Amino acid sequence: EVQLVESGGGLVQPGGSLRLSCAASGFTVRNNYMSWVRQAPGGGLEWVSVIYSGDTTFYADSVKGRFTISRHSSKNTLYLQMNSLRAEDTAVYYCARDPEGWAAINDWGQGTLVTVSS
Amino acid sequence: QPVLTQPPSSSASPGESARLTCALPSDINVGTYNIYWYQQKPGSPPRYLLYYYSDSDKGQGSGVPSRFSGSKDASANTGILLISGLQSEDEADYYCMIWPSNTSGVFGGGTKLTVL
Repeated sequence: EVQLVESGGGLVQPGGSLRLSCAASGFTVRNNYMSWVRQAPGGGLEWVSVIYSGDTTFYADSVKGRFTISRHSSKNTLYLQMNSLRAEDTAVYYCARDPEGWAAINDWGQGTLVTVSS
Repeated sequence: QPVLTQPPSSSASPGESARLTCALPSDINVGTYNIYWYQQKPGSPPRYLLYYYSDSDKGQGSGVPSRFSGSKDASANTGILLISGLQSEDEADYYCMIWPSNTSGVFGGGTKLTVL
């Protein structure tokens, strides 16, 4: 059974940093397209970043240069390093799996809440 | 990033059909893309429903009832999610999504479906 469990969310001041983790089970992270998708309180879904293949990565313009997606093969874990955080980054962050690449996001974690506030 | 436009809300009665739309900007052709649809209920992550490219190229998510189906209206440059035989459990937010390039994804703003 595929499982994705996010952790690392919390309250952080503007300009601060946070690292989110997503522990995966039931499949191998390095063999899948893995994305982060976020959802602001009361808002819609926003695609944030993807990693696949030989560590190829892409980012939404809203986070480019501030966020870094990575993975640890032996831990089968996905990460999102978030720097220079802004109030508008406040959201629930979902870890998501797309087995085929640029296709359906079949599996989602439960999400972890990041709040950026002073 | 292109903007996918979804009506903020829609409503229908149990047993009726609901037609949810996802309009693409005029500079990108709906005929070129797979349109993905997701359902989200309060307090839960999104759930993949289906994708639609054409009648010969479409797919249903695991366990998704066949009363959920997709289509396109090329004249309106729009993707469509049709839910037939509405049930109270279908009340949720629905999001469309495309991968406009092999570098990014984009979601529509979502439609809140109310089952009256």
